[in-house]
Amino acid sequence: DTGVSQDPRHKITKRGQNVTFRCDPISEHNRLYWYRQTLGQGPEFLTYFQNEAQLEKSRLLSDRFSAERPKGSFSTLEIQRTEQGDSAMYLCASSLYRGHTGELFFGEGSRLTVL
Amino acid sequence: KQEVTQIPAALSVPEGENLVLNCSFTDSAIYNLQWFRQDPGKGLTSLLLIQSSQREQTSGRLNASLDKSSGRSTLYIAASQPGDSATYLCAVRTGFQKLVFGTGTRLLVSP
Repeated sequence: DTGVSQDPRHKITKRGQNVTFRCDPISEHNRLYWYRQTLGQGPEFLTYFQNEAQLEKSRLLSDRFSAERPKGSFSTLEIQRTEQGDSAMYLCASSLYRGHTGELFFGEGSRLTVL
Repeated sequence: KQEVTQIPAALSVPEGENLVLNCSFTDSAIYNLQWFRQDPGKGLTSLLLIQSSQREQTSGRLNASLDKSSGRSTLYIAASQPGDSATYLCAVRTGFQKLVFGTGTRLLVSP
């Protein structure tokens, strides 16, 4: 069990560029979540998948954000035309769906800095 | 809308002290509550998960309680150590399959 892994760990980009983050969940987990955390705040929910289906998206996820989970395995989160306000830690989590009781396991996060 | 509050925002104690971190939530209709630890610049490590039907969970020196009706949870850390220094986050699971987090308690344990 290698846990949830995220790549890259750090990304510095210029405003207007596109960035993509990847998350590999724990292998048997069928649910995958994306959260965003800004300095001094708790993580905020962005979106989640059950297998390959994206079941919910937060209002925080503007049109510039897109997430995919092809074949229900790894997931990618793409941000187009980045803005300085996108600077944050992007956290991925996975769980094994057991009704409403599954425990979430988080990765180390991908820190984005937009200059 | 569910809101989660953690008090205190920061706490500094000498090594060896027992301490309590508090978490309150506004809507008691939760499925479970999870406590996490976060080191600076790192991801979240799950510490304890309490289902809505449970009153407490224990893991080593950690004990978490849940009073769903009053919207409160506490995390008790016994015999604190410098290695316990981190930010502690609580999160409640709502019916929309997501966690709602508090802003955390930043703990510093000095030797």
